[in-house]
Amino acid sequence: QKEVEQDPGPLSVPEGAIVSLNCTYSNSAFQYFMWYRQYSRKGPELLMYTYSSGNKEDGRFTAQVDKSSKYISLFIRDSQPSDSATYLCAMSAQGNNRLAFGKGNQVVVIP
Amino acid sequence: EAGVTQFPSHSVIEKGQTVTLRCDPISGHDNLYWYRRVMGKEIKFLLHFVKESKQDESGMPNNRFLAERTGGTYSTLKVQPAELEDSGVYFCASSQVRVSGNTIYFGEGSWLTVV
Repeated sequence: QKEVEQDPGPLSVPEGAIVSLNCTYSNSAFQYFMWYRQYSRKGPELLMYTYSSGNKEDGRFTAQVDKSSKYISLFIRDSQPSDSATYLCAMSAQGNNRLAFGKGNQVVVIP
Repeated sequence: EAGVTQFPSHSVIEKGQTVTLRCDPISGHDNLYWYRRVMGKEIKFLLHFVKESKQDESGMPNNRFLAERTGGTYSTLKVQPAELEDSGVYFCASSQVRVSGNTIYFGEGSWLTVV
């Protein structure tokens, strides 16, 4: 079983729609949960970071972590064409420097 | 402030040849990481340096891969001899403090194609 599962299917939405992305994981030791955004031919850029369970909001972005279900989500409200990118979930355990990544979702926001 | 810099950005080599990738971390960052993504797979951890010491190299796929960080500044990742399955993008990242993903900054990657 993979440590992190992220359905890699592409997602196309009209401008202004809500984008919903999610990942599941198997390692109960994960405590730090991240969402990275990656534009074509660029490196991953940290978008959202959450420690343990709960919600975090930053502008149009909301990250949710449910440790009991081993499930994390990212919501993008009022999506813009500039949000078109690949979104990767990543997580790590306390005291461990490795990030475990999902495969990523390519999101296309259509004007 | 300059970000994480990687060189070369693209490289095409023949199977059996050697390639050396270089990473310059953000100035002052003691922690340096190498990750890679091969076709169709997720980004995977390769190894972690703290200054010049290898803290964790458990992700290195085999002994054809050699990473160094002499002097605790830039790092090199050498693949010798390269195989077809080594094709992919190699990311370097750095951080000032250990753990917690919110302090890790990635470079743009070195895209390696082995033919």
